[in-house]
Amino acid sequence: GQQVMQIPQYQHVQEGEDFTTYCNSSTTLSNIQWYKQRPGGHPVFLIQLVKSGEVKKQKRLTFQFGEAKKNSSLHITATQTTDVGTYFCAGRVGNFNKFYFGSGTKLNVKP
Amino acid sequence: DAGVTQSPTHLIKTRGQQVTLRCSPKSGHDTVSWYQQALGQGPQFIFQYYEEEERQRGNFPDRFSGHQFPNYSSELNVNALLLGDSALYLCASSLAGAYNSPLHFGNGTRLTVT
Repeated sequence: GQQVMQIPQYQHVQEGEDFTTYCNSSTTLSNIQWYKQRPGGHPVFLIQLVKSGEVKKQKRLTFQFGEAKKNSSLHITATQTTDVGTYFCAGRVGNFNKFYFGSGTKLNVKP
Repeated sequence: DAGVTQSPTHLIKTRGQQVTLRCSPKSGHDTVSWYQQALGQGPQFIFQYYEEEERQRGNFPDRFSGHQFPNYSSELNVNALLLGDSALYLCASSLAGAYNSPLHFGNGTRLTVT
């Protein structure tokens, strides 16, 4: 069945270091969304990528969608303690708003 | 503008019991999806409701059922609870007519089955 794999599972960085999480789907996706979940909180929408090869930036965050629309990445430059949380990718297959979430990458930033 | 609201916040049930969780979508949204999030895992899609009908379903047994009301609010029912049903249950609303509409999540209901 449909699977969205995400690595790494955990990442511990020193404040100021960069961070990247990768997402890979077994099938072609209609689009991919990224969410951030703070400890004890709920997933909060960050961004959506739709086009093949698309790159979007939000301040220190850079999101990429692969050419084959099967993989995606989120890169954070110069992490800050406010970046702590779990980052999920969520891939959509087909026309309905049914998303397959990755298992998440838990980011811990040491000050 | 109210976001997605879920009730109750926490719930403790015994194996074999039944539970009903409730969700009110964000104002203006007409589609409600339910997700189960086990500890340390990503949300798993249970089903989606639109126009009071189940439109999509994930790999969950028939013990999981739902309902959507005319005001777009929704309920998730789980029968014959198992220990493995312990999880955070998230409701997410979106707009059916808006292609690629992002999901807006509620704070979830933490269900513990003992």
